[in-house]
Amino acid sequence: TQLLEQSPQFLSIQEGENLTVYCNSSSVFSSLQWYRQEPGEGPVLLVTVVTGGEVKKLKRLTFQFGDARKDSSLHITAAQPGDTGLYLCAGRQLNTGNQFYFGTGTSLTVIP
Amino acid sequence: KAGVTQTPRYLIKTRGQQVTLSCSPISGHRSVSWYQQTPGQGLQFLFEYFSETQRNKGNFPGRFSGRQFSNSRSEMNVSTLELGDSALYLCASSLDRAKTEAFFGQGTRLTVV
Repeated sequence: TQLLEQSPQFLSIQEGENLTVYCNSSSVFSSLQWYRQEPGEGPVLLVTVVTGGEVKKLKRLTFQFGDARKDSSLHITAAQPGDTGLYLCAGRQLNTGNQFYFGTGTSLTVIP
Repeated sequence: KAGVTQTPRYLIKTRGQQVTLSCSPISGHRSVSWYQQTPGQGLQFLFEYFSETQRNKGNFPGRFSGRQFSNSRSEMNVSTLELGDSALYLCASSLDRAKTEAFFGQGTRLTVV
């Protein structure tokens, strides 16, 4: 059973479109991270959110942490082919050190 | 500043054999965690090492073990390999146990035949 559920699982969109990826749980997390992973490579850290309600922007990417720290979203504006990849959310709970619970992943394809 | 280095990148082993994977964390980072990634299960936590001690362990059989050296480098070992152990094994490096960010290496792709 996955502690974090991501939706959608697959997403194929045209260049220039907007999209939102959701990461949901019934558990509370002390922090949540978003990663992007390309085939055969390790995940690359995009952002860390730690405060309920926090919003962080990274160029065309906007990340939000839910008020109750149980969910998060990633919004991409004007997607580009370079955004293609597997997006993963990962939550950390109190008193579990550096054990991260990973979401099920969202595979994004941006078509030129 | 060098990133997380995992060796080897690719490995092919036969059922029943054992394998050792290596991870060198970012300089100054003292926490190393290991994850297994498969298409069906996604990323699953194996264990975490800090100051040469295992601090946390995931739900994997005893065939999976690890250790950490005084220079923070870590190794993981899988004995009596099974076909289902084929996966991408990822190492994550963190400054310490209180910091929230984890940085991953490129992984070791293990294929068991």
